[in-house]
Amino acid sequence: ETGVTQTPRHLVMGMTNKKSLKCEQHLGHNAMYWYKQSAKKPLELMFVYNFKEQTENNSVPSRFSPECPNSSHLFLHLHTLQPEDSALYLCASSPQGEGFVNQPQHFGDGTRLSIL
Amino acid sequence: ILNVEQSPQSLHVQEGDSTNFTCSFPSSNFYALHWYRWETAKSPEALFVMTLNGDEKKKGRISATLNTKEGYSYLYIKGSQPEDSATYLCAFLSGNQFYFGTGTSLTVIP
Repeated sequence: ETGVTQTPRHLVMGMTNKKSLKCEQHLGHNAMYWYKQSAKKPLELMFVYNFKEQTENNSVPSRFSPECPNSSHLFLHLHTLQPEDSALYLCASSPQGEGFVNQPQHFGDGTRLSIL
Repeated sequence: ILNVEQSPQSLHVQEGDSTNFTCSFPSSNFYALHWYRWETAKSPEALFVMTLNGDEKKKGRISATLNTKEGYSYLYIKGSQPEDSATYLCAFLSGNQFYFGTGTSLTVIP
């Protein structure tokens, strides 16, 4: 139990569907992250939110739309995805502010997404 | 995009053997180096956070060293056990971004 909960664990959707991934943490962290893990590739950072503000967007296509309503919740809204978007999507959180470089990230178990 | 490389990609060892693997990263603009252990169907779990050149950290049978000047970190496992089987990830922190390696997949054979 890492304190970061992701739902759903598995998601199968068609290319025309709209769905959302949810991430929740009650660790008091102020930074939250979305990562994509494709087969045989390193974890790719997608988005970073610090104190609810998006601070990083690593050239992610607009069919992925993040939302961070508060420091404890992070969503990834999915719309008209492509088969190559099938992957494991991991959420993480960490403290921010002074001394944050000494703090590890806490990860959820991920959502395994399959696009038909 | 910064390049973080881990070697070997996979490793099979016998129970009781000691082993080590490498994480290579850029030697400039270094903030921190993280090691994570990722078991199948679970979430990555932090092992070490290293920030200073020459750092050595230890947790039980697992230890890590850091050389920021030449851009590498070693992870050592002494007397491997089957429960050590996992993928070991390193992540290089530069600015506000983490750059992950592809991991070393370790299998410990009983």
